[in-house]
Amino acid sequence: SQKIEQNSEALNIQEGKTATLTCNYTNYSPAYLQWYRQDPGRGPVFLLLIRENEKEKRKERLKVTFDTTLKQSLFHITASQPADSATYLCALDGGAAGNKLTFGGGTRVLVKP
Amino acid sequence: DTGVSQDPRHKITKRGQNVTFRCDPISEHNRLYWYRQTLGQGPEFLTYFQNEAQLEKSRLLSDRFSAERPKGSFSTLEIQRTEQGDSAMYLCASRGTGPTEGQFFGPGTRLTVL
Repeated sequence: SQKIEQNSEALNIQEGKTATLTCNYTNYSPAYLQWYRQDPGRGPVFLLLIRENEKEKRKERLKVTFDTTLKQSLFHITASQPADSATYLCALDGGAAGNKLTFGGGTRVLVKP
Repeated sequence: DTGVSQDPRHKITKRGQNVTFRCDPISEHNRLYWYRQTLGQGPEFLTYFQNEAQLEKSRLLSDRFSAERPKGSFSTLEIQRTEQGDSAMYLCASRGTGPTEGQFFGPGTRLTVL
């Protein structure tokens, strides 16, 4: 069955440093991979989407890489700020099947001033 | 506010009761999704609609669960004979049909079954 793994341990990082999160998956060939941010008690917020034929995508201080051979995506937050503290969710999008998402368990990031 | 809205935000019910949740998607989005999220986990797909047609249901969606989107606009999710295991956050999301669009999530309905 499909399995998506994100580091369940919280990532504590100092303000200004780069946070790097990992998303590994098995038994799946996603057409797209997406990253979302979720704050406590709120719905996820879409951040970035990367296609299977793209290696890297950037948006402001965010960078995502996608390696379909390793079945892994890395999510980087550069120059992190306390406001970046949240849970970050990786989601696989099969494309043809209505673009439904299969989510990982998320990684909580805490940026300390 | 033109985002996705959900009602109610919180629902406490007793085991065995029926509950119904409503989702109003972004108006121009023809796809609507329901997910369930428990504490410390990512959202799990339940079902999705394209316009008024329900095109896929997860095996998680037992026959106690039913969803509708009668006019291709708002959607309802009903749970009959609730069980304590149904306690979770129920999230609704919508998107258009472009291939590289993300999903826009509502704030969720937190269900507690006593």
